[in-house]
Amino acid sequence: SQQGEEDPQALSIQEGENATMNCSYKTSINNLQWYRQNSGRGLVHLILIRSNEREKHSGRLRVTLDTSKKSSSLLITASRAADTASYFCATAKTSGSRLTFGEGTQLTVNP
Amino acid sequence: NAGVMQNPRHLVRRRGQEARLRCSPMKGHSHVYWYRQLPEEGLKFMVYLQKENIIDESGMPKERFSAEFPKEGPSILRIQQVVRGDSAAYFCASSPPWRTEAFFGQGTRLTVV
Repeated sequence: SQQGEEDPQALSIQEGENATMNCSYKTSINNLQWYRQNSGRGLVHLILIRSNEREKHSGRLRVTLDTSKKSSSLLITASRAADTASYFCATAKTSGSRLTFGEGTQLTVNP
Repeated sequence: NAGVMQNPRHLVRRRGQEARLRCSPMKGHSHVYWYRQLPEEGLKFMVYLQKENIIDESGMPKERFSAEFPKEGPSILRIQQVVRGDSAAYFCASSPPWRTEAFFGQGTRLTVV
Protein backbone atom coordinates (compact mmCIF):
# COMPACT_ATOMS: atom_id res chain seq x y z
CA SER A 1 0.00 0.00 0.00
CA GLN A 2 1.16 3.54 -0.71
CA GLN A 3 2.36 5.38 2.38
CA GLY A 4 2.61 9.15 2.41
CA GLU A 5 0.37 10.30 -0.41
CA GLU A 6 0.44 14.01 -1.11
CA ASP A 7 -2.38 16.18 -2.26
CA PRO A 8 -2.56 18.09 -4.52
CA GLN A 9 -0.16 16.67 -7.09
CA ALA A 10 0.51 20.15 -8.44
CA LEU A 11 -0.13 23.62 -7.06
CA SER A 12 0.42 26.97 -8.77
CA ILE A 13 0.16 30.21 -6.79
CA GLN A 14 1.27 33.83 -6.93
CA GLU A 15 4.17 35.18 -4.93
CA GLY A 16 3.01 36.31 -1.50
CA GLU A 17 0.17 33.79 -1.27
CA ASN A 18 0.14 30.86 1.12
CA ALA A 19 0.62 27.28 -0.08
CA THR A 20 -0.91 24.30 1.67
CA MET A 21 0.01 20.71 0.90
CA ASN A 22 -1.51 17.64 2.49
CA CYS A 23 -0.17 14.19 3.15
CA SER A 24 -1.96 11.02 4.18
CA TYR A 25 -0.45 7.78 5.37
CA LYS A 26 -1.69 4.34 6.26
CA THR A 27 0.30 2.77 9.08
CA SER A 28 1.41 3.89 12.53
CA ILE A 29 4.42 6.16 12.59
CA ASN A 30 7.10 7.45 14.92
CA ASN A 31 7.53 10.69 13.00
CA LEU A 32 6.66 12.44 9.77
CA GLN A 33 9.06 14.62 7.83
CA TRP A 34 8.78 17.07 4.96
CA TYR A 35 11.46 17.45 2.31
CA ARG A 36 11.95 19.81 -0.61
CA GLN A 37 13.51 18.86 -3.93
CA ASN A 38 14.53 21.40 -6.51
CA SER A 39 14.56 20.16 -10.08
CA GLY A 40 17.45 17.79 -10.70
CA ARG A 41 18.76 18.07 -7.16
CA GLY A 42 18.77 16.04 -3.96
CA LEU A 43 16.27 16.35 -1.16
CA VAL A 44 16.57 18.94 1.58
CA HIS A 45 15.08 18.24 4.99
CA LEU A 46 12.59 20.92 6.03
CA ILE A 47 10.91 19.88 9.24
CA LEU A 48 10.15 16.83 11.40
CA ILE A 49 7.11 16.32 13.57
CA ARG A 50 6.86 13.44 16.03
CA SER A 51 3.75 11.35 16.53
CA ASN A 52 3.06 12.97 19.92
CA GLU A 53 3.17 16.48 18.47
CA ARG A 54 0.27 18.26 16.79
CA GLU A 55 1.88 21.35 15.31
CA LYS A 56 5.33 22.66 14.61
CA HIS A 57 6.71 25.88 13.17
CA SER A 58 9.97 26.72 11.44
CA GLY A 59 10.28 30.16 9.87
CA ARG A 60 7.58 30.42 7.19
CA LEU A 61 6.73 26.73 7.54
CA ARG A 62 3.93 25.33 9.65
CA VAL A 63 3.30 21.60 9.91
CA THR A 64 0.34 19.90 11.52
CA LEU A 65 -0.14 16.24 12.30
CA ASP A 66 -3.41 14.46 13.01
CA THR A 67 -2.62 10.87 13.95
CA SER A 68 -6.31 9.97 14.30
CA LYS A 69 -6.82 10.83 10.63
CA LYS A 70 -3.32 9.75 9.63
CA SER A 71 -2.73 13.02 7.88
CA SER A 72 -0.37 15.99 7.90
CA SER A 73 -0.31 19.37 6.25
CA LEU A 74 2.53 21.70 5.30
CA LEU A 75 1.77 25.40 5.08
CA ILE A 76 4.24 27.80 3.48
CA THR A 77 3.31 31.39 4.23
CA ALA A 78 4.17 34.43 2.12
CA SER A 79 5.52 32.26 -0.68
CA ARG A 80 8.43 33.33 -2.85
CA ALA A 81 9.48 32.33 -6.35
CA ALA A 82 12.42 30.50 -4.76
CA ASP A 83 9.94 28.16 -3.03
CA THR A 84 9.20 26.60 -6.41
CA ALA A 85 10.08 22.92 -5.96
CA SER A 86 8.63 19.49 -5.29
CA TYR A 87 7.62 18.81 -1.71
CA PHE A 88 7.53 15.30 -0.26
CA CYS A 89 6.28 13.95 3.00
CA ALA A 90 8.02 10.91 4.43
CA THR A 91 7.11 8.69 7.33
CA ALA A 92 9.24 6.58 9.63
CA LYS A 93 7.86 3.71 11.67
CA THR A 94 10.58 4.00 14.26
CA SER A 95 13.31 6.52 14.94
CA GLY A 96 16.15 5.92 12.50
CA SER A 97 14.23 3.47 10.33
CA ARG A 98 13.85 3.89 6.61
CA LEU A 99 11.65 6.65 5.26
CA THR A 100 8.62 5.97 3.09
CA PHE A 101 7.99 8.82 0.67
CA GLY A 102 4.85 9.98 -1.05
CA GLU A 103 4.69 10.97 -4.70
CA GLY A 104 5.12 14.66 -3.93
CA THR A 105 3.45 17.98 -4.66
CA GLN A 106 4.94 20.14 -7.39
CA LEU A 107 4.66 23.75 -6.20
CA THR A 108 5.08 26.62 -8.64
CA VAL A 109 5.23 30.14 -7.26
CA ASN A 110 4.77 32.72 -9.96
CA PRO A 111 6.53 36.08 -9.52
CA ASN B 1 31.65 19.42 7.20
CA ALA B 2 30.99 18.34 3.64
CA GLY B 3 27.56 17.02 2.83
CA VAL B 4 26.72 13.57 1.52
CA MET B 5 28.86 13.04 -1.57
CA GLN B 6 27.69 10.88 -4.41
CA ASN B 7 29.62 10.05 -7.52
CA PRO B 8 29.39 9.99 -10.35
CA ARG B 9 26.60 12.55 -10.82
CA HIS B 10 25.74 11.09 -14.21
CA LEU B 11 26.43 7.59 -15.43
CA VAL B 12 25.68 6.10 -18.82
CA ARG B 13 25.83 2.36 -19.26
CA ARG B 14 24.96 0.03 -22.12
CA ARG B 15 22.55 -2.81 -21.47
CA GLY B 16 24.37 -5.70 -19.85
CA GLN B 17 27.12 -3.62 -18.26
CA GLU B 18 27.66 -3.05 -14.56
CA ALA B 19 26.95 0.20 -12.74
CA ARG B 20 28.71 1.17 -9.52
CA LEU B 21 27.34 4.09 -7.55
CA ARG B 22 29.33 5.52 -4.64
CA CYS B 23 28.18 7.37 -1.57
CA SER B 24 30.32 8.97 1.10
CA PRO B 25 28.17 9.84 4.11
CA MET B 26 28.63 12.94 6.19
CA LYS B 27 31.36 12.75 8.81
CA GLY B 28 30.12 10.97 11.90
CA HIS B 29 27.15 9.38 10.13
CA SER B 30 27.07 5.61 10.47
CA HIS B 31 23.68 5.00 8.81
CA VAL B 32 23.35 4.98 5.03
CA TYR B 33 20.18 4.62 2.99
CA TRP B 34 19.76 4.18 -0.77
CA TYR B 35 16.63 5.30 -2.62
CA ARG B 36 15.61 5.21 -6.28
CA GLN B 37 13.53 7.87 -8.00
CA LEU B 38 11.85 7.48 -11.36
CA PRO B 39 10.89 10.65 -13.28
CA GLU B 40 7.94 12.52 -11.77
CA GLU B 41 7.72 10.06 -8.88
CA GLY B 42 8.65 9.93 -5.24
CA LEU B 43 11.62 8.12 -3.78
CA LYS B 44 11.43 4.38 -3.26
CA PHE B 45 13.47 2.83 -0.46
CA MET B 46 16.03 0.24 -1.50
CA VAL B 47 18.40 -0.59 1.35
CA TYR B 48 19.54 0.58 4.78
CA LEU B 49 23.09 -0.14 5.91
CA GLN B 50 25.30 0.48 8.87
CA LYS B 51 29.05 -0.10 8.82
CA GLU B 52 29.64 -3.65 7.54
CA ASN B 53 25.98 -4.59 8.06
CA ILE B 54 22.85 -4.62 5.94
CA ILE B 55 20.01 -3.66 8.27
CA ASP B 56 17.06 -3.64 5.88
CA GLU B 57 17.18 -4.64 2.23
CA SER B 58 13.46 -5.14 1.74
CA GLY B 59 13.38 -2.65 -1.15
CA MET B 60 16.18 -4.20 -3.14
CA PRO B 61 15.35 -6.25 -6.22
CA LYS B 62 16.28 -9.87 -5.57
CA GLU B 63 18.60 -10.14 -8.55
CA ARG B 64 21.39 -7.98 -10.00
CA PHE B 65 21.37 -5.41 -7.17
CA SER B 66 23.71 -5.41 -4.19
CA ALA B 67 24.94 -2.87 -1.67
CA GLU B 68 27.74 -2.64 0.83
CA PHE B 69 29.07 -0.20 3.40
CA PRO B 70 32.56 -1.36 4.33
CA LYS B 71 34.46 -0.42 7.46
CA GLU B 72 36.59 1.91 5.39
CA GLY B 73 35.49 3.79 2.30
CA PRO B 74 32.19 4.75 0.72
CA SER B 75 28.99 2.80 0.45
CA ILE B 76 28.58 1.15 -2.95
CA LEU B 77 25.37 0.32 -4.79
CA ARG B 78 26.13 -2.17 -7.52
CA ILE B 79 23.82 -3.04 -10.39
CA GLN B 80 24.90 -5.93 -12.57
CA GLN B 81 23.75 -6.51 -16.15
CA VAL B 82 21.81 -3.26 -16.30
CA VAL B 83 18.56 -3.01 -18.25
CA ARG B 84 16.68 0.05 -19.55
CA GLY B 85 14.29 -0.12 -16.61
CA ASP B 86 17.20 0.59 -14.24
CA SER B 87 17.42 4.13 -15.63
CA ALA B 88 16.61 6.40 -12.71
CA ALA B 89 18.09 8.78 -10.18
CA TYR B 90 19.67 6.98 -7.23
CA PHE B 91 19.94 8.91 -4.00
CA CYS B 92 21.97 8.16 -0.95
CA ALA B 93 21.14 9.56 2.46
CA SER B 94 22.98 9.38 5.75
CA SER B 95 22.22 10.07 9.38
CA PRO B 96 24.04 9.72 12.69
CA PRO B 97 22.68 7.20 15.21
CA TRP B 98 21.02 9.89 17.34
CA ARG B 99 19.17 11.72 14.54
CA THR B 100 16.06 10.71 12.69
CA GLU B 101 16.16 13.11 9.75
CA ALA B 102 18.23 12.07 6.75
CA PHE B 103 20.71 14.16 4.80
CA PHE B 104 20.64 13.49 1.08
CA GLY B 105 23.30 13.59 -1.60
CA GLN B 106 22.72 15.14 -5.03
CA GLY B 107 22.07 11.77 -6.57
CA THR B 108 23.48 9.74 -9.43
CA ARG B 109 21.46 9.77 -12.63
CA LEU B 110 21.86 6.44 -14.36
CA THR B 111 20.95 6.15 -18.01
CA VAL B 112 20.97 2.76 -19.65
CA VAL B 113 21.22 2.86 -23.43
